[in-house]
Amino acid sequence: NAGVTQTPKFRVLKTGQSMTLLCAQDMNHEYMYWYRQDPGMGLRLIHYSVGEGTTAKGEVPDGYNVSRLKKQNFLLGLESAAPSQTSVYFCASRTGTKNIQYFGAGTRLSVL
Amino acid sequence: GEDVEQSLFLSVREGDSSVINCTYTDSSSTYLYWYKQEPGAGLQLLTYIFSNMDMKQDQRLTVLLNKKDKHLSLRIADTQTGDSAIYFCAEIPSGAGSYQLTFGKGTKLSVIP
Repeated sequence: NAGVTQTPKFRVLKTGQSMTLLCAQDMNHEYMYWYRQDPGMGLRLIHYSVGEGTTAKGEVPDGYNVSRLKKQNFLLGLESAAPSQTSVYFCASRTGTKNIQYFGAGTRLSVL
Repeated sequence: GEDVEQSLFLSVREGDSSVINCTYTDSSSTYLYWYKQEPGAGLQLLTYIFSNMDMKQDQRLTVLLNKKDKHLSLRIADTQTGDSAIYFCAEIPSGAGSYQLTFGKGTKLSVIP
């Protein structure tokens, strides 16, 4: 049972390039989340989804787009990467009860 | 707005007890959580406490909840070097339909051998 899997694990982009981060969960969870983690800032919610075909904005959504075409996958897109998007990105999915979130191992993104 | 406050650093000697403190803002949070993040890894749920409880014990971990003061603490008995990690406190913010969690900035625990 893999849990929450994020790909890629590392990526370096040039300013203006685009990329998609993939999150896959095999726990049949309805809810999925994308966070970014920066030194001294803790975890900040970018976007989330409460079910297949639905997405919603979190605390810091600007510069990102998401899609949830399949229940098990949640994609995070950067259309035109900026150095301010250098961060570690975490995906999580959630059980229906107790709001317990399960996290992936993270994607370390550097934008030069 | 909602905010969860934690001290950023804690250093203890191996074998001592560690106490990590957290203050939260939303008294309606049904559950409160402690997550652990080891270097280079994602967050992992360590324990949680239901809001109508004062204390929860699980092996070396003891969680204390003071709802009046909105204070949550995590005590780790007989701290080991493997406990070195960042510990995050989290609450369910009001108005979020219980979809979200609000995390503190994390307390980095360093265990001195």
